[in-house]
Amino acid sequence: DVKVTQSSRYLVKRTGEKVFLECVQDMDHENMFWYRQDPGLGLRLIYFSYDVKMKEKGDIPEGYSVSREKKERFSLILESASTNQTSMYLCASSQNGLAGAPPTDTQYFGPGTRLTVL
Amino acid sequence: EDQVTQSPEALRLQEGESSSLNCSYTVSGLRGLFWYRQDPGKGPEFLFTLYSAGEEKEKERLKATLTKKESFLHITAPKPEDSATYLCAVHSSGTYKYIFGTGTRLKVLA
Repeated sequence: DVKVTQSSRYLVKRTGEKVFLECVQDMDHENMFWYRQDPGLGLRLIYFSYDVKMKEKGDIPEGYSVSREKKERFSLILESASTNQTSMYLCASSQNGLAGAPPTDTQYFGPGTRLTVL
Repeated sequence: EDQVTQSPEALRLQEGESSSLNCSYTVSGLRGLFWYRQDPGKGPEFLFTLYSAGEEKEKERLKATLTKKESFLHITAPKPEDSATYLCAVHSSGTYKYIFGTGTRLKVLA
């Protein structure tokens, strides 16, 4: 079974602090994603990584950065936390399809980190 | 623009009362459509992936179907433990982005 883990289930930080959220997957997936989920807005993509040290901005990258130094680990960094970054943060991973095989784009999610910024 | 709409927003069923959740989508080229179950305060749990119109998949009381414009998640004889939010997402060709619907909140009453 695919397993995606996130470093914290709950986190409380103060405005202006630098916050690190870590995600680890154990299935050798190439692709990793960070989303935030807010009531009424659904899941919104913050950043995507398709390989070590490679990243693409999602729909709402402002105020965030990411790091992927190892294939299994993808970190989300809030450079200076603000109250509007209070949210549920979800990490996901997926595998690239193999040539000649059926596509396999399924994303697998971690348990989430509920971040509160005071 | 790629878009996913789920209906209804919320659904209350009596235990044993079968029903269907709808996911309508507009994409330039569908690579895959995904169903997830999400319990409060937790990450989405993968249920099904569908790749082409006419495809169907089943798991216990759940059955997912796909047409060129929509997908249905059929719940047969639901139990209270099926209460959750069900999310639909699509992945279109030529993009790394997945588009999620806002979900259907299902409540099954004993």
